[in-house]
Amino acid sequence: TQLLEQSPQFLSIQEGENLTVYCNSSSVFSSLQWYRQEPGEGPVLLVTVVTGGEVKKLKRLTFQFGDARKDSSLHITAAQTGDTGLYLCAGAPGDAGNMLTFGGGTRLMVKP
Amino acid sequence: NAGVTQTPKFQVLKTGQSMTLQCAQDMNHEYMSWYRQDPGMGLRLIHYSVGAGITDQGEVPNGYNVSRSTTEDFPLRLLSAAPSQTSVYFCASSQGGAGYEQYFGPGTRLTVT
Repeated sequence: TQLLEQSPQFLSIQEGENLTVYCNSSSVFSSLQWYRQEPGEGPVLLVTVVTGGEVKKLKRLTFQFGDARKDSSLHITAAQTGDTGLYLCAGAPGDAGNMLTFGGGTRLMVKP
Repeated sequence: NAGVTQTPKFQVLKTGQSMTLQCAQDMNHEYMSWYRQDPGMGLRLIHYSVGAGITDQGEVPNGYNVSRSTTEDFPLRLLSAAPSQTSVYFCASSQGGAGYEQYFGPGTRLTVT
């Protein structure tokens, strides 16, 4: 079983601050996805990174895939209250299997 | 399109009871999966299917059965409910498998007493 560890588990910051969430594993993934989940709803995809070293930007969110495809990070610049939610990373196996592995999640609260 | 729908939204069971959680998608996706979400543990894969007639076990399959008789439907059966199965259950579908965007349903919150 491939494991994905997310850190931190909880993060409470003021509006305008920057933050980084990490997703680490000892396994290689063919791709890594980041999801955001609101209370009472299912996760919604933010981005997929596929190539080692890849950087993708989505407005104030920057996603990076590690060179060895074992880790990823999500950086939010100038956080807003609307960024509050649960952020989940999920890795697709490097052997082209069909089991998606999720990290434990980072619960972000952005205070006004 | 309705996307992925799940019923019921909430359910309370007594220990030992059985029930079926329903999941349907109208996007003609071949890949469907079931996850459970417990506090602080993210989502854990229970079972998945790569197409009608094909199912496979995920990370935590014990106590659950699935079948996939059509592309659209992927029900999850709890054979004999236990308090450890208290969780929020999510069904998801995608066009191509684990590496593709997963579309999630709204979830079923199950409590076993």
